[in-house]
Amino acid sequence: NAGVTQTPKFRILKIGQSMTLQCTQDMNHNYMYWYRQDPGMGLKLIYYSVGAGITDKGEVPNGYNVSRSTTEDFPLRLELAAPSQTSVYFCASSYGAGGDTQYFGPGTRLTVL
Amino acid sequence: LAKTTQPISMDSYEGQEVNITCSHNNIATNDYITWYQQFPSQGPRFIIQGYKTKVTNEVASLFIPADRKSSTLSLPRVSLSDTAVYYCLVVDLSQGGKLIFGQGTELSVKP
Repeated sequence: NAGVTQTPKFRILKIGQSMTLQCTQDMNHNYMYWYRQDPGMGLKLIYYSVGAGITDKGEVPNGYNVSRSTTEDFPLRLELAAPSQTSVYFCASSYGAGGDTQYFGPGTRLTVL
Repeated sequence: LAKTTQPISMDSYEGQEVNITCSHNNIATNDYITWYQQFPSQGPRFIIQGYKTKVTNEVASLFIPADRKSSTLSLPRVSLSDTAVYYCLVVDLSQGGKLIFGQGTELSVKP
């Protein structure tokens, strides 16, 4: 099992550009999450999904969109990149809810200039 | 607004026991309290989780009092490789049942 994979590993965007961060898990987990981690800070939940076709906002959803068309994939979309979105983005998945063990991907380091 | 609070940093020496406490009021009564470890440039990794009282696995113990307003991660006999940031994760009722990570505790283990 590859676990949770994320692409790309690094990306530099100009202000106003858009991009999609990819996340795939092969553990057949129902729950998937997107977090951002600013330098020297903790993780903040952006969006999560409880299953294919169902998504909900986390603590910091503004400026992002998500979709969940399959169990395996949970892409995160940035439509109009802003410098405030410079961060490391982590995708995670879990079998159940309520703080069930989450398995994290390696992260995507995004810089917006 | 409920808040999850951890010490920003802690120092220890090899072989010592380290206890890191996370304070969290207004959390869901039937959800796990979970702790993660994060090394630089990596995603967090699960350490331990529990509902109440005490849980022990091969790497750590977790103590949760009856009121569940805090939890303490205990690392026995730390080594240099335990130098990392440790986060608690709870389900915060004041945030609509959202998952909230603590700010993280940077543990530095010295020889």
